[in-house]
Amino acid sequence: SQQGEEDPQALSIQEGENATMNCSYKTSINNLQWYRQNSGRGLVHLILIRSNEREKHSGRLRVTLDTSKKSSSLLITASRAADTASYFCADRTSGSRLTFGEGTQLTVNP
Amino acid sequence: KAGVTQTPRYLIKTRGQQVTLSCSPISGHRSVSWYQQTPGQGLQFLFEYFSETQRNKGNFPGRFSGRQFSNSRSEMNVSTLELGDSALYLCASSLGAADYGYTFGSGTRLTVV
Repeated sequence: SQQGEEDPQALSIQEGENATMNCSYKTSINNLQWYRQNSGRGLVHLILIRSNEREKHSGRLRVTLDTSKKSSSLLITASRAADTASYFCADRTSGSRLTFGEGTQLTVNP
Repeated sequence: KAGVTQTPRYLIKTRGQQVTLSCSPISGHRSVSWYQQTPGQGLQFLFEYFSETQRNKGNFPGRFSGRQFSNSRSEMNVSTLELGDSALYLCASSLGAADYGYTFGSGTRLTVV
């Protein structure tokens, strides 16, 4: 079963705009990870943020983590058509499993 | 370096049959995890192997099993296939420590008819 929820389920923007996706989780975590999936293919790891970190950057990506609210957000700046994909957050608790959210389908229109 | 390789890419099986899926992790990665992705249930964890031992298991029936070989390659087996087993099966490899992300293969698309 899915632990978290992602919001929004679908997002459509124009190239050059910023895209923000939110994720909530239910239990204490070791870290939270974001992945991208293009059209039914494998997932690509984007960024990992540890439970003791509040913000992390990687290129055009910015991730925040609020453990008091059990939530995270992924910001993609200056989006491109190639960013069109599904984005998933996944939390890692004790043990080695990832529990994925339901995903956000991002469409970037050229 | 080579990524995670899953074979076959596509598979069509009949109800009641069994199937074996294969995953070759990134060289040096000792952890291999399997996930099932369906439109209704999303991404669900099946199990994880580390150094040939099952380290973690999800909530799937015993028809789903796996193993890992000494070279870290892993296989997943599903016996007595049901229509609901139709899904994208994803394999992910990792160094195994908590603070590393996972590298996923392209998946095996299983269709049960």
